[in-house]
Amino acid sequence: EADIYQTPRYLVIGTGKKITLECSQTMGHDKMYWYQQDPGMELHLIHYSYGVNSTEKGDLSSESTVSRIRTEHFPLTLESARPSHTSQYLCASSRTGATNEKLFFGSGTQLSVL
Amino acid sequence: KQEVTQIPAALSVPEGENLVLNCSFTDSAIYNLQWFRQDPGKGLTSLLLIQSSQREQTSGRLNASLDKSSGRSTLYIAASQPGDSATYLCATSSGGFKTIFGAGTRLFVKA
Repeated sequence: EADIYQTPRYLVIGTGKKITLECSQTMGHDKMYWYQQDPGMELHLIHYSYGVNSTEKGDLSSESTVSRIRTEHFPLTLESARPSHTSQYLCASSRTGATNEKLFFGSGTQLSVL
Repeated sequence: KQEVTQIPAALSVPEGENLVLNCSFTDSAIYNLQWFRQDPGKGLTSLLLIQSSQREQTSGRLNASLDKSSGRSTLYIAASQPGDSATYLCATSSGGFKTIFGAGTRLFVKA
């Protein structure tokens, strides 16, 4: 079973609030990812990290930011939440290895911005 | 640009039936293909990973096949059970962070 944890599971907040979604993994994986998923739709990569102090933006434009100060921790921050940010946010990790690089996912954070 | 398509979008079958879920992709230059299961409001659980050099992988009642030349993969579920009800997603990886997901097939197995 994958050891990757996301908190909170659900979050309802008002417009303009600053929020941080937490993601931690205990598998020692070097790569970590944040995906955004709307109901019935594909996952879209919004941020990724190769390792400590390495972060990059993904394919989907996002107003969020991330940090990777420790290998196991990859939090995502929204400075000023808007209703358009309402979505499910999924954190994932993997260990570098080209052909057999399996992705492990957390349980997700369902964010609702009123 | 890689595109991953899953057909059908939704499927309802009686318990005990064998079924096949389809996944097609446009760029055959992939390192691997993964099948995932997603329960409502949850994250994804990896079911099977097929490397580009492999043709199929099996786990219990699940069998996934890969045909790179035709850009297709199938997930075969034998003797379906109500507990199999979930959304099944396939995803191709071309190395690095280039993992592209399909929108999934929503499966409902009726008791």
